[in-house]
Amino acid sequence: KNEVEQSPQNLTAQEGEFITINCSYSVGISALHWLQQHPGGGIVSLFMLSSGKKKHGRLIATINIQEKHSSLHITASHPRDSAVYICAVVPSTGTASKLTFGTGTRLQVTL
Amino acid sequence: DTEVTQTPKHLVMGMTNKKSLKCEQHMGHRAMYWYKQKAKKPPELMFVYSYEKLSINESVPSRFSPECPNSSLLNLHLHALQPEDSALYLCASSYTGGAHNEQFFGPGTRLTVL
Repeated sequence: KNEVEQSPQNLTAQEGEFITINCSYSVGISALHWLQQHPGGGIVSLFMLSSGKKKHGRLIATINIQEKHSSLHITASHPRDSAVYICAVVPSTGTASKLTFGTGTRLQVTL
Repeated sequence: DTEVTQTPKHLVMGMTNKKSLKCEQHMGHRAMYWYKQKAKKPPELMFVYSYEKLSINESVPSRFSPECPNSSLLNLHLHALQPEDSALYLCASSYTGGAHNEQFFGPGTRLTVL
C-alpha cells in the first residue's frame, strides 16, 4: 500500500462543475503539497499546507491532520484545468527535502 | 524572476554518447533537485543539492553524475545510458531544503535513449 493514496485516479467533468480530489496518507507529515502537471511535463506548485485551508482563485485546498486527509477543490471548472493533480507529503521523520508522491489524479474537463 | 529553466527541452542520445542536462534558477534558492519521471508515474527523486553540496543521492547509478557549479546552476551529466533511462527529467529548486519550502519545478527535459 502506498503511503500516499489519491482518489479518484481519473476524473471527467463538464465545464462549470465543482471538482474534488482527495488525498489520504498514512504517515505523520510536516507539510503537504498539491501540484499540477499539464501534458508535456512541467509541474506547477499549487499549494503547500500544514494545517487548515488555503484558497487561490478557483482552487481551494484543505487538510485535516488528525484524519490524515487533504482535499483539492476546483470551483467552476474549465477545460484549461485539465491536467494531472499530484498530492505529495513531507514525512515528519526522514529527510525534510524529500517528497513522497501520490500516483496522481488525471482530470479532464470537457465543454 | 520566479522561473526554473531547463535545457534542452528534448534530447535523443545513443547508449555510447555523453550529454548533459542543465538547470538554472535566479530566485536565490539554495536547494536544487533532480527528479526522473516515467510516463504516467509520479516523479522519483534522484539527487538533492543543498548550499551547493550533494545532500541526497537516492542510489542512482553512476552513469548519472550531478554537478552544482554555483548556487544558480545544476547539471546532470549522462554517460553510457540504457534505453530504460528514457524519461522526463525534472529539475526543481526551493529556498532551502526544509520541510515547509515550496519546490519550484522546471519544464523538464524529455530524454530518449536509443
